[in-house]
Amino acid sequence: QKEVEQDPGPLSVPEGAIVSLNCTYSNSAFQYFMWYRQYSRKGPELLMYTYSSGNKEDGRFTAQVDKSSKYISLFIRDSQPSDSATYLCAMRPAAGNKLTFGGGTRVLVKP
Amino acid sequence: DAMVIQNPRYQVTQFGKPVTLSCSQTLNHNVMYWYQQKSSQAPKLLFHYYDKDFNNEADTPDNFQSRRPNTSFCFLDIRSPGLGDAAMYLCATSRAQGMNTEAFFGQGTRLTVV
Repeated sequence: QKEVEQDPGPLSVPEGAIVSLNCTYSNSAFQYFMWYRQYSRKGPELLMYTYSSGNKEDGRFTAQVDKSSKYISLFIRDSQPSDSATYLCAMRPAAGNKLTFGGGTRVLVKP
Repeated sequence: DAMVIQNPRYQVTQFGKPVTLSCSQTLNHNVMYWYQQKSSQAPKLLFHYYDKDFNNEADTPDNFQSRRPNTSFCFLDIRSPGLGDAAMYLCATSRAQGMNTEAFFGQGTRLTVV
């Protein structure tokens, strides 16, 4: 079993819809949680960063962390065709610097 | 402004010919990472530096080496590239402690082995 599980998709939604992405993990030591967007042939771009449990909102993006369930989510409101990309979750423990990634979810927003 | 810069963006090398990829950062972060990413897969950590301390992943082949001469620069050396080493190589940086420890990535170097 992988430490971080993420549905590979593809997830296809119409423009304007809410995109809902999630990851589950098994390591209870993870404390820092990140979401990255990666366009084809480009490096990952940091979207959201959260520490421990709770919600964080930034523009059209909302990140949620539920440590009791070992489950994190990213919601994208009012999705645009430019949101079409692969979304990667990543997490790390409080001690140590190793970042562990999920496999990524491909998202396609259709005009 | 780019904060993590990787050069070159595209690299073609011959089978078995040593190649070096470079990464520089303007963030003054003490942790630098090298990841390998193959098509449609998650980035795979090869190794990372915490300041000058080198941390190798157990499953990173000996063919991959790294150097960090100073805080700003880090290099990935592939001693004898094989066809299976063709991939995107990603450099990332982060702070090691405190609340703001998110990792920032460069644009990657796409390596082709011929």
